[in-house]
Amino acid sequence: EVQLLESGGGLVQPGGSLRLSCATSGFTISAYAMAWVRQAPGKGLEWLSSITSNADNTYYADSVKGRFTISRDNSRSTIYLHVNNLRAEDTAVYYCAKAVATTGGHFDYWGQGTLVTVSS
Amino acid sequence: DIQMTQSPSTLSASVGDRVTITCRASQSISTWLAWYQQKPGKAPKVVIYKASGLESGVPSRFSGSGSGTEFTLTISSLQPDDLATYFCQQYHSYPVTFGQGTKLQIK
Repeated sequence: EVQLLESGGGLVQPGGSLRLSCATSGFTISAYAMAWVRQAPGKGLEWLSSITSNADNTYYADSVKGRFTISRDNSRSTIYLHVNNLRAEDTAVYYCAKAVATTGGHFDYWGQGTLVTVSS
Repeated sequence: DIQMTQSPSTLSASVGDRVTITCRASQSISTWLAWYQQKPGKAPKVVIYKASGLESGVPSRFSGSGSGTEFTLTISSLQPDDLATYFCQQYHSYPVTFGQGTKLQIK
């Protein structure tokens, strides 16, 4: 059974940093691109970043470029999102998602999400 | 960036109704479009991929069509379990983009 489990969210002050993790199981992570998507309270889905299966390529939304960094450790079946210089508008549930191919594609599995709250 | 525009934003329909949601892309995305269903408090779940592919386990009352810039998601006979918000997503090119969502309410 494919499982994705996010962790690392919480309450952080503006300007602060976090490292979000997504532990995966039930599939060979090294064969798939992975992504982070967030959803602010009561709002829609916002794609943030994707990383190809071998980490050769990373992609970012303009809204987070330069502040967020995606990475992966295939040996640990885990992907990460380092989030820096957080702002109030970064408050959201952060989901990791598995893509269907090595370089991208639609997302066939999602985690349950981890809540990040940016507030003083 | 490719902009995705969904309509309507909210849709109220009765059990048994045929329901259609539209998604328009700001430029051609061929058939690189997915539809996701998100129930309150839950993660999204893919229902349609590559514009018309039915995800495994999704009821056959769901169908998708379109190519280029115009796409539709149709539920042939609405069921109470279909109460959710539906999002389209283009994955033709990065940055990946989602539509703003259509909230489906049951009358």
